Amino acid sequence: DIVMTQTPLSSPVTLGQPASISCRSSQSLVHSDGNTYLSWLQQRPGQPPRLLIYKISNRFSGVPDRFSGSGAGTDFTLKISRVEAEDVGVYYCMQATQFPWTFGQGTKVEIK
Amino acid sequence: EVQLVESGGGLVQPGGSLRLSCAASGFTFSSYSMNWVRQAPGKGLEWVSYISSSSSTIYYADSVKGRFTISRDNAKNSLYLQMNSLRDEDTAVYYCARDHPYYDSSGYYPNFDYWGQGTLVTVSS
Repeated sequence: DIVMTQTPLSSPVTLGQPASISCRSSQSLVHSDGNTYLSWLQQRPGQPPRLLIYKISNRFSGVPDRFSGSGAGTDFTLKISRVEAEDVGVYYCMQATQFPWTFGQGTKVEIK
Repeated sequence: EVQLVESGGGLVQPGGSLRLSCAASGFTFSSYSMNWVRQAPGKGLEWVSYISSSSSTIYYADSVKGRFTISRDNAKNSLYLQMNSLRDEDTAVYYCARDHPYYDSSGYYPNFDYWGQGTLVTVSS
């Protein structure tokens, strides 16, 4: 199974400041079709997960442009350019390149 | 508007059974693969099972293989998860989530783009 490792596990951030979350996979996420199925999900308190970013860097419909994704192979990053109060929650990376699909442990973003 | 609504959760004793349902609307359900994902209280996300649009391809997490069965009824726009031999560690909120459409051979479309609100399964004596 592909293991997804996120750092940090907790990220206290000042409003208006940037935040960054790293995700590393135990093997390359490049699929045989040439795509890299690495996504980022946000889970606000008491809510189901919500897709933010898919295939490393594609923002899903309605996601603010302060969220961006980057990376390749086994190393990926989610960046929030200026954290807003509504960004509080847990962020997960996940891979859908190889079954079983797997998630990172989650990174809790909170306001300082 | 795409909607996924889970139901069927509840309290069940260890060794018991439960059947979860996920009612889909707002899209052509029969065109999409689907997943079940669970989240134990205070824990992270765990993928449980996948079913292709035609039910021809099915996968399970090792933790549920042989105990859980995923199925779908495209005529009823519904996804199911039959859970047998339930254990304490199966206690979780269970979500259904949409995957790729069958015609997406190039991987253009996102997966896990829509999730239901979840249904809570509690296994306890």
